[in-house]
Amino acid sequence: AQTVTQSQPEMSVQEAETVTLSCTYDTSESDYYLFWYKQPPSRQMILVIRQEAYKQQNATENRFSVNFQKAAKSFSLKISDSQLGDAAMYFCAYRSLNTGNQFYFGTGTSLTVIP
Amino acid sequence: EAGVAQSPRYKIIEKRQSVAFWCNPISGHATLYWYQQILGQGPKLLIQFQNNGVVDDSQLPKDRFSAERLKGVDSTLKIQPAKLEDSAVYLCASSLSRQGFHEQYFGPGTRLTVT
Repeated sequence: AQTVTQSQPEMSVQEAETVTLSCTYDTSESDYYLFWYKQPPSRQMILVIRQEAYKQQNATENRFSVNFQKAAKSFSLKISDSQLGDAAMYFCAYRSLNTGNQFYFGTGTSLTVIP
Repeated sequence: EAGVAQSPRYKIIEKRQSVAFWCNPISGHATLYWYQQILGQGPKLLIQFQNNGVVDDSQLPKDRFSAERLKGVDSTLKIQPAKLEDSAVYLCASSLSRQGFHEQYFGPGTRLTVT
C-alpha cells in the first residue's frame, strides 16, 4: 500500500507571511493524484489544491501553491500572505488510479497563524 | 447546493453494543466514501461505493463493520459489536465519479465514543 508522510506535526506562521508544509509519499505507480485538504477546528474537510502526477506544472490556487517533485516523491504546500482563517489541520493525500482508486492520507500538520 | 449530510453528529455507546451511521451525499454524486479518523491521525478509507456497488472495501474490518448503499443514494455504516478502538470520527464523502480529478466533498462527521 502507498504511504503518505507529513513530518511536521505542528507549524506556525505570522499573519501575512509565507509557510511551507511538507509531504512525501511512497509509490511504485507512475500516474496518480495528490491533494491537500484543510480541516478547520470542528468544521468540515475541504479541498485546498490538487495535482495530477502526469502534469509537470505545479498547481496554484490563489494564495496556495504546490512544489511537486515527482522523482523525489515530494509534494509540499506553500501558503502565501497567511491569514487567520488559514489556521487548521492540513492533510496531504494520495489517490491511486489503479483498481479501487484508493485514497491514502497523511497524519496531518496543525497550522497556527499568529496575529 | 446542499452538502453531504451525516447523522447523528455524536454517539456514545458501550463496548459490544451496535451502532449505525447515516450519510446522504450530494445529489447526483455517484461515488460515496466512508472514512475512519482516529484522533491524531489522518482519515482512513474504509469503503467506497460507485452507485449501489462496492468498489473497494479492502480496509473495512468485515468481522464487525458493514455498509450498504441500497438505492445508490443514502448509505449506512454499521458496527456490531463495537470495540474501544472504534472510537473515532466517521466521515462520509461523495464525488461525481471515481475519476481522480473529481473533488471529494466531506460531511461534518459522526464522533463515536465507545466506553
